[in-house]
Amino acid sequence: NAGVTQTPKFQVLKTGQSMTLQCAQDMNHNSMYWYRQDPGMGLRLIYYSASEGTTDKGEVPNGYNVSRLNKREFSLRLESAAPSQTSVYFCASSQSQGGTGELFFGEGSRLTVL
Amino acid sequence: AQSVTQLGSHVSVSEGALVLLRCNYSSSVPPYLFWYVQYPNQGLQLLLKYTTGATLVKGINGFEAEFKKSETSFHLTKPSAHMSDAAEYFCAVSPRAGGYNKLIFGAGTRLAVHP
Repeated sequence: NAGVTQTPKFQVLKTGQSMTLQCAQDMNHNSMYWYRQDPGMGLRLIYYSASEGTTDKGEVPNGYNVSRLNKREFSLRLESAAPSQTSVYFCASSQSQGGTGELFFGEGSRLTVL
Repeated sequence: AQSVTQLGSHVSVSEGALVLLRCNYSSSVPPYLFWYVQYPNQGLQLLLKYTTGATLVKGINGFEAEFKKSETSFHLTKPSAHMSDAAEYFCAVSPRAGGYNKLIFGAGTRLAVHP
């Protein structure tokens, strides 16, 4: 009954370091998403993958890259971390591609960039 | 472009009182509408959604919301607040065409419930 699993849950980086956030879902969903959550700004879409083998930019893609490794896994990479990327990152998945489906979220990864 | 406005970043109510969280959207075509709830240190979970049909939608935990096209609103209500309702609530929209569930979220409203 895992749903969407994100690792790590917490990470502290220095400016310029790189890291990858991992996400896996066990619900056989087609679509996966990466959001960032900042105080007073809600959640903003970074990248999404409508189906295995495809990825597209969301609202705030600069400074990030993604990989849809297979149907289950969708990773988010920061190549050269900046303090502005300090945030809580959420991975989500959904079955429907028609815009009516429910998103299932992971518990979040809290990233601090010093 | 679509946008979502949640009026009031913080709302405080007494236990047993009415909960009203406001959401207005901006879109030339009515989008799909959602309310999500986030408890401390957790991800978001769906409370309810409106896609088509009856404009009054009932969700989990006694919450409901009404889609009003003329007011471009989708306010969330609960007749009687419980301590366990304390959380952050997000209104979200998704375009009806080609949306791929690319939800656009409001800034959130933090609900406090006091005895």
